[in-house]
Amino acid sequence: EAGVAQSPRYKIIEKRQSVAFWCNPISGHATLYWYQQILGQGPKLLIQFQNNGVVDDSQLPKDRFSAERLKGVDSTLKIQPAKLEDSAVYLCASSLEPSGNIQYFGAGTRLSVL
Amino acid sequence: AQSVTQLGSHVSVSEGALVLLRCNYSSSVPPYLFWYVQYPNQGLQLLLKYTSAATLVKGINGFEAEFKKSETSFHLTKPSAHMSDAAEYFCAVSEGGATNKLIFGTGTLLAVQP
Repeated sequence: EAGVAQSPRYKIIEKRQSVAFWCNPISGHATLYWYQQILGQGPKLLIQFQNNGVVDDSQLPKDRFSAERLKGVDSTLKIQPAKLEDSAVYLCASSLEPSGNIQYFGAGTRLSVL
Repeated sequence: AQSVTQLGSHVSVSEGALVLLRCNYSSSVPPYLFWYVQYPNQGLQLLLKYTSAATLVKGINGFEAEFKKSETSFHLTKPSAHMSDAAEYFCAVSEGGATNKLIFGTGTLLAVQP
């Protein structure tokens, strides 16, 4: 069974530029999560999708971050414009259903904003 | 609000010694509790999960954790450390339900000395 796929693995941009990350969850997983992991901290949930609908985006900085999950499969997370403090690893995870189920994580995209 | 506290951001043990990584949680309802491991430049991998069945949970790679409600703890242990156990370990809590959002601790970096 293929795992959660993310691309790119690394990205370096200058502040005020835009960037996009892509995630393909495990086949059949209805729930998809995007987490932000700043160096030295645990991952923090940015947004959660159930199929193609948003369940929780309470911690997503909506003035600069956006995410979509068209057709309820793969997802894109975008930052525009990027700030220095957005430097982090962006992790995508998926699960069969939300409640009590294991979340499977991708390898992440490491973003450096200069 | 849920929270997770991991005592000790860095733990160093000798190969063959006991591994003990501490995790305390706060939750207003019976929680789901998880331990994840993160190897360098990789995503998070589930070690074990507590979901109100047995209080002693056995995971992969010889790890186990004990849920103690009276102490609100979920410490991770392994009787004998191996060099390959060197990684960062994250404790996480979820209240389940519609979102199953994971709240992570800040992580503990485990070093194993030969």
